[in-house]
Amino acid sequence: DQQVKQNSPSLSVQEGRISILNCDYTNSMFDYFLWYKKYPAEGPTFLISISSIKDKNEDGRFTVFLNKSAKHLSLHIVPSQPGDSAVYFCVGGSQGNLIFGKGTKLSVKP
Amino acid sequence: SAVISQKPSRDICQRGTSLTIQCQVDSQVTMMFWYRQQPGQSLTLIATANQGSEATYESGFVIDKFPISRPNLTFSTLTVSNMSPEDSSIYLCSVHMGGLEGQYFGPGTRLTVT
Repeated sequence: DQQVKQNSPSLSVQEGRISILNCDYTNSMFDYFLWYKKYPAEGPTFLISISSIKDKNEDGRFTVFLNKSAKHLSLHIVPSQPGDSAVYFCVGGSQGNLIFGKGTKLSVKP
Repeated sequence: SAVISQKPSRDICQRGTSLTIQCQVDSQVTMMFWYRQQPGQSLTLIATANQGSEATYESGFVIDKFPISRPNLTFSTLTVSNMSPEDSSIYLCSVHMGGLEGQYFGPGTRLTVT
């Protein structure tokens, strides 16, 4: 049973345009959500988080939106840059425990 | 934040052998975690390792297969025992530093079992 689902395994976007990565979850007990970015041969690195009591969190080019009624969150990257090309993991968190989605591979083309 | 290193970065091992993966953190932490990422899959938590106590294993993972040591607050090892090709994965350690940043991850150990 996948508690965190990323239904798009890959996404290709032109440099300068918006990247939207989507995530759905089934566990209502998550206290917070995170997005991690992973480059090849490196561990995942924290990108941005959102508390379950918020509906939006913004950090520079990155914004995460949370729709609790739909159990859906999304990560927006504007403008997208070639250096953003990586695998992005949507993660649900509760009391320090993390549940990862399978990831979406983002390719930003110059 | 935390800086985490893992050894080895990758290895190719024969079926039936064992491999011990080391994880070193640059600061003292209470909770360390070991994950596995099989090809095409998400990261799956194997166990939580707290210093001074037995590791806590997630469903589907057992101590005989994945023994863990946690001798101090900056170091841990994970052993993959009696390996089979199904154990071919990336193994990652992580630490929890509190707050909403979740966990910090090491670079991973890519294991291939032939």
